[in-house]
Amino acid sequence: DGGITQSPKYLFRKEGQNVTLSCEQNLNHDAMYWYRQDPGQGLRLIYYSQIVNDFQKGDIAEGYSVSREKKESFPLTVTSAQKNPTAFYLCASSLSGGNQPQHFGDGTRLSIL
Amino acid sequence: AQSVTQLDSHVSVSEGTPVLLRCNYSSSYSPSLFWYVQHPNKGLQLLLKYTSAATLVKGINGFEAEFKKSETSFHLTKPSAHMSDAAEYFCVVSAVGGATNKLIFGTGTLLAVQP
Repeated sequence: DGGITQSPKYLFRKEGQNVTLSCEQNLNHDAMYWYRQDPGQGLRLIYYSQIVNDFQKGDIAEGYSVSREKKESFPLTVTSAQKNPTAFYLCASSLSGGNQPQHFGDGTRLSIL
Repeated sequence: AQSVTQLDSHVSVSEGTPVLLRCNYSSSYSPSLFWYVQHPNKGLQLLLKYTSAATLVKGINGFEAEFKKSETSFHLTKPSAHMSDAAEYFCVVSAVGGATNKLIFGTGTLLAVQP
């Protein structure tokens, strides 16, 4: 079955440490997205990519980095510069063009040790 | 700029009674609108979408929504709630701008279903 796989499901970070969240899709979608979800705030866009080797900052990109070397993969690195990284992170993908629904993975919950 | 406002942060209904989750939108253009559902510790699942075809949109699991331009509303309804409907629901509008597909999310409505 086609879908989006995020790993790990739970992740713990020590102070000053970078961590990378994995996102893989086999839907053959060109566009991929990373969101952060905090209680009562809905989803906020961190980064998005419309095509391989290209990505754009979203609304809250500071302290995060991404790469898009393959169509299927869009990993997110939470750097030590992100001072409040505890959140639920969701990856999504969609067909290109406007007004397309996005398909979501099951998320990664990141906590600080 | 586009935005959505979900008018209730929490809604509680009894099993078998109707569900109404309210959403108002703001858009300078004819918007595309979506409703998504999220169960605990899961990703979001698309319930239905409106893209300027019929104003009454039917989705999965018996949900439907009506686009009302005069009221700038896109409320989600279901005739009879089931225990499995307990989840968080997000109203979403598609941002306008070239070929990008950015979505703008409401803050969510948590639906509780009492037995």
